[in-house]
Amino acid sequence: RKEVEQDPGPFNVPEGATVAFNCTYSNSASQSFFWYRQDCRKEPKLLMSVYSSGNEDGRFTAQLNRASQYISLLIRDSKLSDSATYLCVPSLSGGYNKLIFGAGTRLAVHP
Amino acid sequence: GAGVSQSPSNKVTEKGKDVELRCDPISGHTALYWYRQSLGQGLEFLIYFQGNSAPDKSGLPSDRFSAERTGGSVSTLTIQRTQQEDSAVYLCASSTTGTNYNEQFFGPGTRLTVL
Repeated sequence: RKEVEQDPGPFNVPEGATVAFNCTYSNSASQSFFWYRQDCRKEPKLLMSVYSSGNEDGRFTAQLNRASQYISLLIRDSKLSDSATYLCVPSLSGGYNKLIFGAGTRLAVHP
Repeated sequence: GAGVSQSPSNKVTEKGKDVELRCDPISGHTALYWYRQSLGQGLEFLIYFQGNSAPDKSGLPSDRFSAERTGGSVSTLTIQRTQQEDSAVYLCASSTTGTNYNEQFFGPGTRLTVL
């Protein structure tokens, strides 16, 4: 079983749509959680951290369910510029912040 | 301010040759990480540095791979006797420390092609 499982997509949605991505992780020792965004042929960039109570940053909402080892990302009012691959990233706390990257979910927002 | 830089941006080499990839982290960042990303795949962890020491090198795929960091700053990843399966984008990241919730900032990567 992969350490991080994500639906690879692509999710093709029109501008203004709401889209949700899900992710499951296998290591129950994971301590911190993140969503990274990666544009085509570019490096990953941190989109947001995910906190236990869930958190929101503008159009983006992240949720964490530790019992089910499940993380989600909701994007409201999609923009063309949201087109990218979204990487689910739990981390292990074996003394440092070891990130475990999922393969990502590709989002394509069209006019 | 300056971000993480990596050089070269692209490297084409022949099977069996050695290559060196360089990473300049953000100034003052004590933690440095190397990853690689094969086409269509997620990032694969290679090695973690805290200062000049590497407490976790568990991701290095074989003894052909080695890395060092000097002066708590620049790091070099060396691949000896390259193989075609080494072709990938090699990404370096740095963070202020290695602790949780410290954002890792990535460099643009080195695209390695082994012919």
